[in-house]
Amino acid sequence: GQSLEQPSEVTAVEGAIVQINCTYQTSGFYGLSWYQQHDGGAPTFLSYNALDGLEETGRFSSFLSRSDSYGYLLLQELQMKDSASYFCAVGPPGDDKIIFGKGTRLHILP
Amino acid sequence: DAGITQSPRYKITETGRQVTLMCHQTWSHSYMFWYRQDLGHGLRLIYYSAAADITDKGEVPDGYVVSRSKTENFPLTLESATRSQTSVYFCASSESTGQGSGGYTFGSGTRLTVV
Repeated sequence: GQSLEQPSEVTAVEGAIVQINCTYQTSGFYGLSWYQQHDGGAPTFLSYNALDGLEETGRFSSFLSRSDSYGYLLLQELQMKDSASYFCAVGPPGDDKIIFGKGTRLHILP
Repeated sequence: DAGITQSPRYKITETGRQVTLMCHQTWSHSYMFWYRQDLGHGLRLIYYSAAADITDKGEVPDGYVVSRSKTENFPLTLESATRSQTSVYFCASSESTGQGSGGYTFGSGTRLTVV
């Protein structure tokens, strides 16, 4: 079967850095994605790692280690607008769909 | 306007009624998906489609029916609504398999309440 584990909640301070971890167990692997969802809104795509290493997009970075079945999303210079839920997702090879984790709720304190 | 649209945004229905949620995308994406989102469960896949006239079950398909006669439309029907189907439903589309090419694009969602 397939499963992803991520913390249910994380709290950080405005201006700080926070890391949201994701570990997965799948029968194969096709890449790790991250999505952001604000309360009452739709999930929006943030990043995709097909290979090991760090991908950077502005204040957000995503890391993948396929040998460790592990990835993380790193948010720098936190802003209040970053308060949202963050979902990791993996796509097993040979499958048309991706599987989402249950999400991490990020709380940002002023 | 280009994009992916869902209708209605909100719906209240009675137990046992048939309900259809609509999803329309203007990109001609091959792949379309229906998810439900409930507290504590994240996003769970109901059905998906790789192309017109091709559909397949996801994680929680029971009680739902889909069709895809045209590439741009992917309606989801609850044949006989139950209270356990009260949820927020998201439609999504993707240009390709998995996660490349910008991932999935989600519609704004339909909040369905079954009373």
